[in-house]
Amino acid sequence: QKEVEQNSGPLSVPEGAIASLNCTYSDRGSQSFFWYRQYSGKSPELIMFIYSNGDKEDGRFTAQLNKASQYVSLLIRDSQPSDSATYLCAVMGSSASKIIFGSGTRLSIRP
Amino acid sequence: DGGITQSPKYLFRKEGQNVTLSCEQNLNHDAMYWYRQDPGQGLRLIYYSQIVNDFQKGDIAEGYSVSREKKESFPLTVTSAQKNPTAFYLCASSTRTSGSPDTQYFGPGTRLTVL
Repeated sequence: QKEVEQNSGPLSVPEGAIASLNCTYSDRGSQSFFWYRQYSGKSPELIMFIYSNGDKEDGRFTAQLNKASQYVSLLIRDSQPSDSATYLCAVMGSSASKIIFGSGTRLSIRP
Repeated sequence: DGGITQSPKYLFRKEGQNVTLSCEQNLNHDAMYWYRQDPGQGLRLIYYSQIVNDFQKGDIAEGYSVSREKKESFPLTVTSAQKNPTAFYLCASSTRTSGSPDTQYFGPGTRLTVL
């Protein structure tokens, strides 16, 4: 079992709809969770982090964390073509010394 | 401008050569990291350093070496012992601030190709 798992996609969402990206992790003691966006050929950019159970909103983005289910998700409201990218989920484990990245979900917003 | 710079952007290496990738940051971050990304895959940790003059191996350190003589700089050498070095190399740095987790920020990356 991978430490951080994401569906590789592609996930195709119509413009203006809500895109939902999911991530599960295996280390029950994990402390912090991050979502990065990566455009093709570019480096990852931090979207947001979350470390408490529940929802955290930042503009059109909402991160949701459920530690009991070992599940973290990212919702993108009013999806735009510029949101088309690969989204990487990253988890800081119980050792807190390094972050483990998932392999990413490719999101495509269709006009 | 504060940020992380990596050079060169593109690098071509002949088999059997060692090459060094540069990573510099002026964010005053304590920790620095090197990752490798292969097409369609996530990031794999090569080496990391949490303080000057100290560094630890990541998950795929074989065939790579690093140094951390200055807080601002964390160069990565890809040696001839690395059998499949063609990849996208990403440097990151982080620091812990009150109320936030240790969050990593990335440089623009170096794309290494072995000819």
